[in-house]
Amino acid sequence: DSGVTQTPKHLITATGQRVTLRCSPRSGDLSVYWYQQSLDQGLQFLIQYYNGEERAKGNILERFSAQQFPDLHSELNLSSLELGDSALYFCASSAFGETQYFGPGTRLLVL
Amino acid sequence: AQSVTQLDSQVPVFEEAPVELRCNYSSSVSVYLFWYVQYPNQGLQLLLKYLSGSTLVKGINGFEAEFNKSQTSFHLRKPSVHISDTAEYFCAVTGGAGGTSYGKLTFGQGTILTVHP
Repeated sequence: DSGVTQTPKHLITATGQRVTLRCSPRSGDLSVYWYQQSLDQGLQFLIQYYNGEERAKGNILERFSAQQFPDLHSELNLSSLELGDSALYFCASSAFGETQYFGPGTRLLVL
Repeated sequence: AQSVTQLDSQVPVFEEAPVELRCNYSSSVSVYLFWYVQYPNQGLQLLLKYLSGSTLVKGINGFEAEFNKSQTSFHLRKPSVHISDTAEYFCAVTGGAGGTSYGKLTFGQGTILTVHP
C-alpha cells in the first residue's frame, strides 16, 4: 500500500459526459501528479500540482482539467468524453519531486 | 526532451533463472531513474531508484539495477526469479532538480516478465 488513495476504482460512462476522479496523496506529500495509461499511448504524464498550484503540464487535453485543494487532495475533471479517453488514470504523490508513489488507479470506460 | 526505451517488450524465463530487463534513456540533463512494477489490475509499485551516489542500486524483492552514464542505461536484474515476479516492469526517468523536466516521469513502454515453472 503506497498510501495514495484514488476513487472511484472503476467508472463507466457515455460519450459526451463529464467525470471527476479524486486522489488523496500520502500524508505530508505536497505534490500530486496525474498520469494516463492506455494501450496505444502507454503511461503519459498529464499534470502536476504542488501545494495547490499548477507546477507542470504534460500531454493533457483541453477537455481535461485538474485542481488541488487546501487539504492537498486533487481532482481530475474529464469532460466531453470520447471513446479514446478510456484508460487507467493514476495519481501519484511525492514530498520533494524525485520519488513518486502511485495510487491504485481509476479505470475509466467510455461507451 | 527525455525518452526511455525498454528494449524487450516481453521476456519469458524459467523459475530460479536469472533475468535482465534492459532500459536505455536519452536526456540532455542530469537524470533520476526508476523501475516500477505493475501486477495485473494493480497500480505501480516502486522497485528501486537511482538519484545519485553508487551506480548499483538495490531494491525490493531481490531486484537491483546499475546506472551506466556512458551507455545511458539502467538495466534491471534479478539473480533468481520466482513465479510471483510475473508482472509488467516499467523504466522511468525524470530530470534532475532545477531542470524543466524535474518531476515529470517519462516511462518506457514496459516489459512483460513471465516466469514459467
